[in-house]
Parts: sequence; structure tokens; C-alpha cells
Amino acid sequence: GAGVSQSPRYKVAKRGQDVALRCDPISGHVSLFWYQQALGQGPEFLTYFQNEAQLDKSGLPSDRFFAERPEGSVSTLKIQRTQQEDSAVYLCASSSAGTASGNTIYFGEGSWLTVV
Amino acid sequence: QQPVQSPQAVILREGEDAVINCSSSKALYSVHWYRQKHGEAPVFLMILLKGGEQKGHEKISASFNEKKQQSSLYLTASQLSYSGTYFCGTDRSGSRLTFGEGTQLTVNP
Repeated sequence: GAGVSQSPRYKVAKRGQDVALRCDPISGHVSLFWYQQALGQGPEFLTYFQNEAQLDKSGLPSDRFFAERPEGSVSTLKIQRTQQEDSAVYLCASSSAGTASGNTIYFGEGSWLTVV
Repeated sequence: QQPVQSPQAVILREGEDAVINCSSSKALYSVHWYRQKHGEAPVFLMILLKGGEQKGHEKISASFNEKKQQSSLYLTASQLSYSGTYFCGTDRSGSRLTFGEGTQLTVNP
């Protein structure tokens, strides 16, 4: 696609509900990143894929968060048993190369999650 | 560790200049600058690499002091469209970016 596409754009979940957020990166991009952005804050790293391999998941805040990219293109971020502190914008980004250095990372518009 | 940005906020009149700073306590491979408007995706502006190479917009300039691990973004002759929050993202690992808390820039007519 022309840009990074995320869905849903907005999601309201009841506390305890599971949610799944989808990211469709730019076609052919090797690297895919998930970030969490709280209101008024900078994006915080969650996890990183190179093709289908999850190379870094050090930013996932708890074992309720899980991400996958089974075929090396579309990725899903799943949050189980959502809590109010999970309310944030979840940004997906992709890059054509396997490293961040020197390579432009393109962001999607994000999925806005509100847990009530 | 998160890079530190300054100032936190700045208000300009159209046509004025601004400088936004970003500093890291660790050695960096590169620094990436983004602008984000409310409710929108962060938009890429500039990459600065070790060794001085830059990639980015023609109307925006930036510098990267490798010794001090500091970068500055220079916005000259600001336009109304420059308003937004500016983030620097630092690359310490070669694989992912760590972002600062942002600098909110407002350009008034």
C-alpha cells in the first residue's frame, strides 16, 4: 500500500476484554515496529520484527501483550484482559531495511484504544 | 534511556526562527526527527547519521554533534504549517528508535 495502514482507528473496550490491533506495513518493508503513545508523551517502543522474526519484545509492558507477524507482512498486536492503563494510541511503523540506522521509518496514524 | 528534548514548548510568530534540541547520555548511531499534529501520524523530517550524513527535507536543517551526542533541529522562517509536536528519535542499537517527550511548537499569524 501507499502508507502504513492500521485498523481499527478507534476502539473502545470494556475492562477485561481482549483486543486485536492490525497493522498493514508499506509493501516490501522488512522491519515493523509497534509503539505505544500516551497523551502528551512521545512514542514508547513495544516490539520489533524483521520479516516474521520478532527480534525485540523488550518494550511489551506485561505478558498480556502479544504481537505476531506470521508471514512477514501484516502484524497483529493483541492485548488480553485490557486494563485502564492500556488506554493509549498504538502506532505501527515500518522500514525498508533491517536496521533503523539511516533508514526512514514510516508511521501509521495509529489505533486509539480507550478502556472503560 | 529516553533522549531529553528542549524546550518543552515554544510559541512563534510566522516568519520567526526556532531551534529544538535533543540530547542523549549514550552513544548514538543516528538521530531521527519527526513532526506530529494532533490525531495524525508522526511525519518524518530528517535523519542524521554518524559521520555527518543527513537525509531529509530541503527547508529544514539539523546538526548532530557526535562528541556530545546532541542534535539540533533548525526551523527558519516558520510557517503556520510548522505547528505541531516535534520528536527526536535516537538509535542506540541499530534496530529501533527511542523517542523524547516532544517539543510543542505553535506558530501564530
